[in-house]
Amino acid sequence: AQSVAQPEDQVNVAEGNPLTVKCTYSVSGNPYLFWYVQYPNRGLQFLLKYITGDNLVKGSYGFEAEFNKSQTSFHQKKPSALVSDSALYFCAVILSSGGSYIPTFGRGTSLIVHP
Amino acid sequence: EPEVTQTPSHQVTQMGQEVILRCVPISNHLYFYWYRQILGQKVEFLVSFYNNEISEKSEIFDDQFSVERPDGSNFTLKIRSTKLEDSAMYFCASRVGQGVTEAFFGQGTRLTVV
Repeated sequence: AQSVAQPEDQVNVAEGNPLTVKCTYSVSGNPYLFWYVQYPNRGLQFLLKYITGDNLVKGSYGFEAEFNKSQTSFHQKKPSALVSDSALYFCAVILSSGGSYIPTFGRGTSLIVHP
Repeated sequence: EPEVTQTPSHQVTQMGQEVILRCVPISNHLYFYWYRQILGQKVEFLVSFYNNEISEKSEIFDDQFSVERPDGSNFTLKIRSTKLEDSAMYFCASRVGQGVTEAFFGQGTRLTVV
């Protein structure tokens, strides 16, 4: 089975502090990993992806994520959190099946940045 | 910037009624998806669609569900006889399809079955 797990339902951080939102994956073969953000009553917005190459990938709004093959993780980080970063964050893994590449999502982590 | 658009934004229907959720994917995209998100729960895959046919579907996508692309631009999800447990946010997504590219999601349709 191929899946992605987000071990924290909620992450609380003070504005200006660094933040980490965790994601681990389980997949046969090479994983293709993504982060999306969902603001209230909105759809999912793509933030960043890892396909191959450099393990550190940079995305929108100052977010970055590090692919760690030995730990099967793809944690998302930001050096200085903003209140406006408060949202629901989803990690996703692509399952390659006949080329349809179906994104499978984790349960989501609610990030709350306190002023 | 091109985007996926979904209509309506909110649909209320009585149990047993048929509903059609509509989506206009990004024009040069080749792969189309429907997902749903029950309140407070994970985003769940329903179905993927490519080359005018279903390419994958989940266990959720039973005989009550169907999809079609009637006119080359719209992509619809039909629920034939809605149940209370079909109440959820339904997201349409599309992807270019050239290599491993990210999916772009619409704003969602909130379906409430009463």
